Amino acid sequence: DAGVIQSPRHEVTEMGQEVTLRCKPISGHNSLFWYRQTMMRGLELLIYFNNNVPIDDSGMPEDRFSAKMPNASFSTLKIQPSEPRDSAVYFCASSFLGVAASGNTIYFGEGSWLTVV
Amino acid sequence: GENVEQHPSTLSVQEGDSAVIKCTYSDSASNYFPWYKQELGKRPQLIIDIRSNVGEKKDQRIAVTLNKTAKHFSLHITETQPEDSAVYFCAAIAYNTDKLIFGTGTRLQVFP
Repeated sequence: DAGVIQSPRHEVTEMGQEVTLRCKPISGHNSLFWYRQTMMRGLELLIYFNNNVPIDDSGMPEDRFSAKMPNASFSTLKIQPSEPRDSAVYFCASSFLGVAASGNTIYFGEGSWLTVV
Repeated sequence: GENVEQHPSTLSVQEGDSAVIKCTYSDSASNYFPWYKQELGKRPQLIIDIRSNVGEKKDQRIAVTLNKTAKHFSLHITETQPEDSAVYFCAAIAYNTDKLIFGTGTRLQVFP
């Protein structure tokens, strides 16, 4: 399996522009997670889905952030409008049956490196 | 909710020495504790994990111990090598959720 696939790998955008990050989870995994990593705040869970349904979005910073999972093999994280403080590495991760249910751990994608100038 | 604290934030050791990283968690009902290694510019990758019904788990030079009473768990790396240099994250699963909460990370440097 190719693992969790994210795109784009790197993005530089101007403040105010819309940013869309994409993720393809590992085939057969039914839980998907979006994390954000910064030096100041470490690895933060933004939102996670189970069977394409958003379960917990309490980590989403504000209304400028939104995430969707229209099917089992695709998810997007959108930032509109983007701000310089959104600059970070955004990781998508997936697991099978969810970590709590089966103890299967989550596998991370390579990350999307976002810079907002 | 679950809170995970990790110490130290940086750790420097000589090649061949042991390294120990410690984490504490707040939710006594948490039952799954993985450790991830993240090399510079790369994604976090699972290196070892432990469940709450086990006190210790070992995989070659890496071991993890869990003290449920004290709510802390530790990563032990023996015979460290330069390629062990990375940032290590502990994590805990919040009870009855799928939320994996991470510690703040430990930057390990192994000097030849």
